[in-house]
Amino acid sequence: AQSVTQPDARVTVSEGASLQLRCKYSYSGTPYLFWYVQYPRQGLQLLLKYYSGDPVVQGVNGFEAEFSKSNSSFHLRKASVHWSDSAVYFCVLSVTGNTGKLIFGLGTTLQVQP
Amino acid sequence: GGIITQTPKFLIGQEGQKLTLKCQQNFNHDTMYWYRQDSGKGLRLIYYSITENDLQKGDLSEGYDASREKKSSFSLTVTSAQKNEMAVFLCASSIAAGDTEVFFGKGTRLTVV
Repeated sequence: AQSVTQPDARVTVSEGASLQLRCKYSYSGTPYLFWYVQYPRQGLQLLLKYYSGDPVVQGVNGFEAEFSKSNSSFHLRKASVHWSDSAVYFCVLSVTGNTGKLIFGLGTTLQVQP
Repeated sequence: GGIITQTPKFLIGQEGQKLTLKCQQNFNHDTMYWYRQDSGKGLRLIYYSITENDLQKGDLSEGYDASREKKSSFSLTVTSAQKNEMAVFLCASSIAAGDTEVFFGKGTRLTVV
């Protein structure tokens, strides 16, 4: 069965520090992977996506993610976080050929301390 | 750019009541979705629709009905609200079903008293 695991429910970092949010997926086929961010009382917004090619993908606001097929991972990174990055981050798997179902991780709440 | 508008933003219902949530999108997207977001449980798919008048059940369809009478709108009905239920319902849309970016509305917060 397909699944997405975000092992860290909550991450706290200081402003200006680097960040990595972890994501592991389970799927035997070719995955399409996304990171979405949810700010308080907002809908989800796409940060970045991976379909194929270069395993490192760039997103908005300085975020990037690296796909690893051997590790079944798609970790999100940022070199220097800002207090406005505080939000919930979701790793999402789209199954190839599926007619619309996205599989969400449970999310990681990021708190950036000043 | 487009926008997804969900109404109402807040919905308070009584146990056993039938409640309807509405969603409009002006992206001209073919596919629309309803997700339920519970604290600590991520997002779960209730219904989706790949075109006007199409309906597909998700993992959490029991207790819900949906309607896609126009391409731009997708409504969700809670057939019988459960006491103390609290959740956020998110509407979303995409160009097509599958491997494309999904755009989300801001949600409807449901509280059942």
